[in-house]
Amino acid sequence: KQEVTQIPAALSVPEGENLVLNCSFTDSAIYNLQWFRQDPGKGLTSLLLIQSSQREQTSGRLNASLDKSSGRSTLYIAASQPGDSATYLCAVCNTDKLIFGTGTRLQVFP
Amino acid sequence: NAGVMQNPRHLVRRRGQEARLRCSPMKGHSHVYWYRQLPEEGLKFMVYLQKENIIDESGMPKERFSAEFPKEGPSILRIQQVVRGDSAAYFCASSPRGGFGTDTQYFGPGTRLTVL
Repeated sequence: KQEVTQIPAALSVPEGENLVLNCSFTDSAIYNLQWFRQDPGKGLTSLLLIQSSQREQTSGRLNASLDKSSGRSTLYIAASQPGDSATYLCAVCNTDKLIFGTGTRLQVFP
Repeated sequence: NAGVMQNPRHLVRRRGQEARLRCSPMKGHSHVYWYRQLPEEGLKFMVYLQKENIIDESGMPKERFSAEFPKEGPSILRIQQVVRGDSAAYFCASSPRGGFGTDTQYFGPGTRLTVL
């Protein structure tokens, strides 16, 4: 059974820091891995999608890497801003469904 | 191109009543997924539907819950005889193609169900 774990559960940093959020999964037989952002009381916004054949994806200040063999992904956020404050979720895709981690709650203070 | 639409955004029901949650996928998307987020827990897959077909309902509770995606109209998640433990945020997602994980799933804003 696929299990997805995210570390740390919560993170509070001053503005401008570079951050690394971690995601690990137990079954390497995945089709892809996605990182999402969820703001309080809101839906999910897809940030990056990494196919199983890829090693990383970049979008602006975000970079996500995938090491399928070790069951790990990291989301790197450069030069963090208060607007980055949210919960970050990683999800792996096994066939037709996404299996989510419990998220990292990020607070960036000015 | 409007995103995934869900309504109502907030729904309050008393124990024993029925709850109907609606989801309109993005234009051109024929694959719909429902997820549930219980308080202080992660999102859990419930069901995956294509038009007029349930493809995977492995995450659906065995009783009181049902889902459909008719040929015309939105997908409906129906909860009969709601109990307090059904209080959660219910999210719908859609994709243009299904299976094999090739596509991003686009999420709606969710319906927050409160059972009194």
